[in-house]
Amino acid sequence: NAGVTQTPKFQVLKTGQSMTLQCAQDMNHNSMYWYRQDPGMGLRLIYYSASEGTTDKGEVPNGYNVSRLNKREFSLRLESAAPSQTSVYFCASSVDLVVNYGYTFGSGTRLTVV
Amino acid sequence: KQEVTQIPAALSVPEGENLVLNCSFTDSAIYNLQWFRQDPGKGLTSLLLIQSSQREQTSGRLNASLDKSSGRSTLYIAASQPGDSATYLCAVSLTGNQFYFGTGTSLTVIP
Repeated sequence: NAGVTQTPKFQVLKTGQSMTLQCAQDMNHNSMYWYRQDPGMGLRLIYYSASEGTTDKGEVPNGYNVSRLNKREFSLRLESAAPSQTSVYFCASSVDLVVNYGYTFGSGTRLTVV
Repeated sequence: KQEVTQIPAALSVPEGENLVLNCSFTDSAIYNLQWFRQDPGKGLTSLLLIQSSQREQTSGRLNASLDKSSGRSTLYIAASQPGDSATYLCAVSLTGNQFYFGTGTSLTVIP
C-alpha cells in the first residue's frame, strides 16, 4: 500500500548511544516532517524538509539531526541519546510545504532511552 | 506560539449517539486546521482539513466547523459506531506548514 513507512517500529537505547530513524514515502510528496509525541503533550515538530535538499528546524530540534537523502527518504538521527528523548516518533509527508491536502503519517517508532 | 486545547480529554457515548468534539486555539490568524484520528499504537489519519476561508468541511458522517474569530473548531460525528473509538486530534497552522497539535480527545463508543 502506498504511504509512509518508518523503521524500526520499536527501539531501546542506552544513554549516549546513537541511532537513525528511517522514513520513506512513495506518494511523490515534496515535503516531509518529523514529529515526536509525548504523553500529555501534543505532537511537536522536530525538523521538516520543504523539498529535496532542504531542511529546517521545527519547535524542538535540540539533540537531533536530519538528512533528506532524496525525494523519498527523510532520516532522523540521535547522536547521543538521552532519557528525555524517550518518545514516539512520527514521520509525515505532504504534497507541498503549504499543506492544502492534509498530511500522511507513518505508524511511528517507539523509542525508549534507558 | 499557538496553543491548542481540546476538551474533554476523554468521552464515552453509547452507540448511535451524535457527538461533538471541541478544539480551541489562541491565535485566530490561522492558515488552516486539520482534524486527525489516531488508533492505539498507530499513526495519525487525516480526516478533514479546513482552510481559513472556509466555515466547514464534511466527509461522510463527519462535519468539521471553524469559527476563526472565536478561536474554535468542532468535529461533529453523526450516528456514532464502535469503530469510531479512537483519539481525535486537532492541529492548527498559522502559515500552512508547521502545525500545532492539541493533546486529543479519547472517544469510546459503547455497543
